[in-house]
Amino acid sequence: GNSVTQMEGPVTLSEEAFLTINCTYTATGYPSLFWYVQYPGEGLQLLLKATKADDKGSNKGFEATYRKETTSFHLEKGSVQVSDSAVYFCALRNGGSQGNLIFGKGTKLSVKP
Amino acid sequence: DTAVSQTPKYLVTQMGNDKSIKCEQNLGHDTMYWYKQDSKKFLKIMFSYNNKELIINETVPNRFSPKSPDKAHLNLHINSLELGDSAVYFCASSPGNMANEQFFGPGTRLTVL
Repeated sequence: GNSVTQMEGPVTLSEEAFLTINCTYTATGYPSLFWYVQYPGEGLQLLLKATKADDKGSNKGFEATYRKETTSFHLEKGSVQVSDSAVYFCALRNGGSQGNLIFGKGTKLSVKP
Repeated sequence: DTAVSQTPKYLVTQMGNDKSIKCEQNLGHDTMYWYKQDSKKFLKIMFSYNNKELIINETVPNRFSPKSPDKAHLNLHINSLELGDSAVYFCASSPGNMANEQFFGPGTRLTVL
């Protein structure tokens, strides 16, 4: 079945450091891919998405590119802030238009001042 | 206006009790979901409804029963609660389009003592 493998954390960075969180997927076809963020004590918010190969999703300085050849969707940010501290989830849309999301295990990011 | 709301936010109860969690969305979406997030933050689909019809039913104990009185509501009833049911339960909704993200509620933290 479809699955998502995500870099395990926790990840601790200093403010203004470069961030990469790796995400690879296994799927039949070309599912839509997502990054969600969960701030402490809150629900999940969509960070960015990409719906087809070579699409780049971007939001709040974060970027991820849908790479079909490497089945990857790595999350990057050039300069992290303390406010970026959260748990980040990579996900793919399973099945058809009513399909559920399949999530990676989440990566906790802590940014120190 | 809250897009996806859940009640209660916290639920503390004894083993063996029966409890319900309610979810409502005002986005006009056709599809609603229940996800369970365990203590390690892993998120997994439990159920999905489309226009009041059950479309996804993962391997969840039959003590868990979803009910959708209309397409804006999806409630989760749990019978004979067990310690292992302690988790955060998230409701989500989505329009019927593979490219679209799912919108999550704030979560219900269930603690079974």
